[in-house]
Amino acid sequence: AQSVAQPEDQVNVAEGNPLTVKCTYSVSGNPYLFWYVQYPNRGLQFLLKYITGDNLVKGSYGFEAEFNKSQTSFHLKKPSALVSDSALYFCAVRDMGGATNKLIFGTGTLLAVQP
Amino acid sequence: EAGVVQSPRYKIIEKKQPVAFWCNPISGHNTLYWYLQNLGQGPELLIRYENEEAVDDSQLPKDRFSAERLKGVDSTLKIQPAELGDSAVYLCASSPRDTLTGELFFGEGSRLTVL
Repeated sequence: AQSVAQPEDQVNVAEGNPLTVKCTYSVSGNPYLFWYVQYPNRGLQFLLKYITGDNLVKGSYGFEAEFNKSQTSFHLKKPSALVSDSALYFCAVRDMGGATNKLIFGTGTLLAVQP
Repeated sequence: EAGVVQSPRYKIIEKKQPVAFWCNPISGHNTLYWYLQNLGQGPELLIRYENEEAVDDSQLPKDRFSAERLKGVDSTLKIQPAELGDSAVYLCASSPRDTLTGELFFGEGSRLTVL
C-alpha cells in the first residue's frame, strides 16, 4: 500500500538559514509527489509537485524540492528561510501503480523560523 | 476569483446531536472532495464527487455520515449522530476535474468539537 512519511514533527531554523523538510514515500508504481502548506486557521495551499522530468522542481514562495528515486525521498528546501515561512507543511503522494490513485498525505511537519 | 468557501468555520455540539457542513467549490470545478483532518494528522479522504456523482466514498463511515452534491455545485456533509471521536477539522477541496497531476484547492475548513 502506498504511504508517505514525514519523520520530523517540527523543524526549527533561524531566519536567513537554509531549511529542509523531509519526506519519504512508499509506492508500488511511479509516484506523483506534492507539497502543501497550511498556515494557522487556513486551508492547505499547493506549493509544488513532481510528476516527471527534472528531479529538482521549483514552486511558490522560493521553495523547491528534489525527487530522489533511489532514496524514495522528496525533501522540501529553501535557501534562505523567512519568519513568514512558519507553518505546517504536508507532503502527499499518488501511487500511479497502485489499486487506487488516491492522494495520501503525510502527518505534517511544523516549520518554526526564529527571527 | 473566489476560493473554496466552507461554513460554519466552527461548530460545538453535544454528542448524539446532528451537524452539517456546507461547501461551495471554485466556480467551474467539477471535482469536489471532503477530507477529515484529525489533530496532528494529515487530511484523509472521505468522499470524492465528479459533478453530482460520488465516485469514491469508500472511506466514508456510512452508518453516521452522509454527503450530497445535488446539482453538481455545492455540497453538504452531515453527521448524525455525532460522537466524541468526530471532533476534527472537515476540509473541502475542489479541482477542475480529477486530474491526477493537478493541485487541489482547499477551503479553510470547518472545525467540529463534540462535547
